Amino acid sequence: GQQVMQIPQYQHVQEGEDFTTYCNSSTTLSNIQWYKQRPGGHPVFLIQLVKSGEVKKQKRLTFQFGEAKKNSSLHITATQTTDVGTYFCAAYGGATNKLIFGTGTLLAVQP
Amino acid sequence: NAGVTQTPKFRVLKTGQSMTLLCAQDMNHEYMYWYRQDPGMGLRLIHYSVGEGTTAKGEVPDGYNVSRLKKQNFLLGLESAAPSQTSVYFCASNDRGRQPQHFGDGTRLSIL
Repeated sequence: GQQVMQIPQYQHVQEGEDFTTYCNSSTTLSNIQWYKQRPGGHPVFLIQLVKSGEVKKQKRLTFQFGEAKKNSSLHITATQTTDVGTYFCAAYGGATNKLIFGTGTLLAVQP
Repeated sequence: NAGVTQTPKFRVLKTGQSMTLLCAQDMNHEYMYWYRQDPGMGLRLIHYSVGEGTTAKGEVPDGYNVSRLKKQNFLLGLESAAPSQTSVYFCASNDRGRQPQHFGDGTRLSIL
C-alpha cells in the first residue's frame, strides 16, 4: 500500500534556529495535508497543498509541494518554544478516503 | 460547539475484557474515522465510515469492530482485549472525503 516517509524523526534546535521536516512518497499524491500535535494533545490541521509546486505560508511556517507531487516540506523560521510538538504530513491513498500519515517529526526547542 | 468528543479519556483493561470507545461529533460531518497512535508509528487507520449505517476497514482493523448507527456517533469495540492493543485511540471526522480532519482529544487505553 501507499507509504509516506517523513524525516527526520526527531530534531532538537535552539530557540531562534530554523527547522525543516520532509515528507516523501513513491507515488504521486493528489494532495498533502500537514498536522501538528502538541505533547499530550491531538493532531490539529495546519494546511493542505493541492497544486504541483505550490507554496503556502502561515506566519513563520512555509509549506511546499514538490513539482512531481511526490514530496513536501515544512519549514519553520526562527523557532519559538510554542513550536514544540510533532509535525505530521498525511496524504490520501489512491482513490480511497483513507488518509495515510507519515511517522512524524518531533521538534524540541530549547530556550 | 464541542467538535469531536471521545469517552472515556483513560481506561485500564485486563486481557480478554471487552469495551467500547465512544466518539461523538456535533459538526454534522458525514465521515468519521478511528485511528490508533503508537510511539514512532504515527497514526494508523483502524476503521472508518462514510455515512450513517456504513463502515469500512482501514490499515489495522483486526481485533476491532465499529458501528455507526447515528450520524453523530461512531463506536469502536474491542471484543477481547490484548496487550498489543495498548495505545492511544483518536477519533476524527470531516465533512467529506479528502477534507481536513478534526480530531478528538484521544482515549489512552492500557491492557494488562
